[in-house]
Amino acid sequence: EAGVAQSPRYKIIEKRQSVAFWCNPISGHATLYWYQQILGQGPKLLIQFQNNGVVDDSQLPKDRFSAERLKGVDSTLKIQPAKLEDSAVYLCASSQSSGGGNEQFFGPGTRLTVL
Amino acid sequence: GEDVEQSLFLSVREGDSSVINCTYTDSSSTYLYWYKQEPGAGLQLLTYIFSNMDMKQDQRLTVLLNKKDKHLSLRIADTQTGDSAIYFCAESTDSSYKLIFGSGTRLLVRP
Repeated sequence: EAGVAQSPRYKIIEKRQSVAFWCNPISGHATLYWYQQILGQGPKLLIQFQNNGVVDDSQLPKDRFSAERLKGVDSTLKIQPAKLEDSAVYLCASSQSSGGGNEQFFGPGTRLTVL
Repeated sequence: GEDVEQSLFLSVREGDSSVINCTYTDSSSTYLYWYKQEPGAGLQLLTYIFSNMDMKQDQRLTVLLNKKDKHLSLRIADTQTGDSAIYFCAESTDSSYKLIFGSGTRLLVRP
């Protein structure tokens, strides 16, 4: 079974530029998550999709971050414009459903550096 | 509010047992998880425990939950160098299945 795929693995941009990350979840997984992991911290949920609908985006900075999951499969996360404090690893995860105890499978992440 | 805390660092000798501790504040936590993160890799679920359990054992891993003190621990028996990684404690509730992570404990296993 293929895991969660993410690209690119690394990205370096200057502040005020825009950037996009892509995630392909495990086939058949209805729930998709985007997390932000700042160095030295645990992951923080940015947005959760159930199929192609948003379940929770309460911690997504909506003035600069946007995410979509077209057709309930792949997802993209965009930052425009980027700030220095956006430097982090962006992790995508998927699970079969959103219930408690459902294992979330994580991708390798995209490391973003904002200069 | 929700908060999960862990000690930052633990160093053990190969073959010894490791005990990683975690405290949480949300009394409505339903599931508590342990994840492992190796360098350059995503997080891997090691085990989880439902809040009505006190203990769960899975091969070399033992999870203990003290719900009264809101304290969770992960014991790794016969720790190997391949166990060197960052270990994250996380919790979720019935009302919100999102994971709230601690800041991670870096485990270093010395040969």
